[in-house]
Amino acid sequence: GESVGLHLPTLSVQEGDNSIINCAYSNSASDYFIWYKQESGKGPQFIIDIRSNMDKRQGQRVTVLLNKTVKHLSLQIAATQPGDSAVYFCADLGGGSQGNLIFGKGTKLSVKP
Amino acid sequence: DSGVTQTPKHLITATGQRVTLRCSPRSGDLSVYWYQQSLDQGLQFLIQYYNGEERAKGNILERFSAQQFPDLHSELNLSSLELGDSALYFCASSPSFDPDTQYFGPGTRLTVL
Repeated sequence: GESVGLHLPTLSVQEGDNSIINCAYSNSASDYFIWYKQESGKGPQFIIDIRSNMDKRQGQRVTVLLNKTVKHLSLQIAATQPGDSAVYFCADLGGGSQGNLIFGKGTKLSVKP
Repeated sequence: DSGVTQTPKHLITATGQRVTLRCSPRSGDLSVYWYQQSLDQGLQFLIQYYNGEERAKGNILERFSAQQFPDLHSELNLSSLELGDSALYFCASSPSFDPDTQYFGPGTRLTVL
C-alpha cells in the first residue's frame, strides 16, 4: 500500500551546520511531494515542493532532492538556525489520489546553539 | 500566518458528546481539507471540499461529517465522541481542487474526557 516514512525520527545538529532530513515513499506513481515544518503548537507550514519531473529544487536555504529510482526524498537545510527546530514532514500526493496527501511520521530537528 | 483560521483553539468535552470545529480558508481558496493529527497515527487526511462539494474522502469515520458553506468556510462535526478522538484537527486550504500546496490553519485541540 501507499506509505511515506522517515528514516530517522530525531536529528540533532549544531547551529550553522547543514541538516539533511530523509524520506522514503512507496508509491512509484507519486508525482508530487511536499515538505512541511511544524513548530510546537502550530499547524504544518509549507516549506518547499517538487514534482516528479524534477530531481532538485532550491528555495531559501532549503533544497529538496528527489531520487525516483530508489523512491527517496531529502530536505537539506543550509546553515541551520535555532529557528529551524521543529518537526519536519514529507508528504506525498500519490498518482490518482484526490485530496489525499499522505504524510510521513515526521523527523524532529533539534538545533544546538 | 497562513491565512487559514480555525476555531476554537481548544475544546474539552465528554465521551458521547458532539462538537463542531470551524475553518475559514485563505481568501480566494476554494478547497478546504480536514486532517486529524494524533501521536500514534500522525497526520491523517479526513476529507476535502471544493467550492461547496465533497471532492475526496480519506480515513473519516462515519461519526464524523463535514460541510462547506457558500461563503467557503467549513465545519467538521464530530459526534458520539470517544476517548480516541482526542487529537489535533487541522484545516488546510488551496486555491483549486488540486490538492497541492495546501496551507494549514493553527488547528483545534480536542480533548475527550
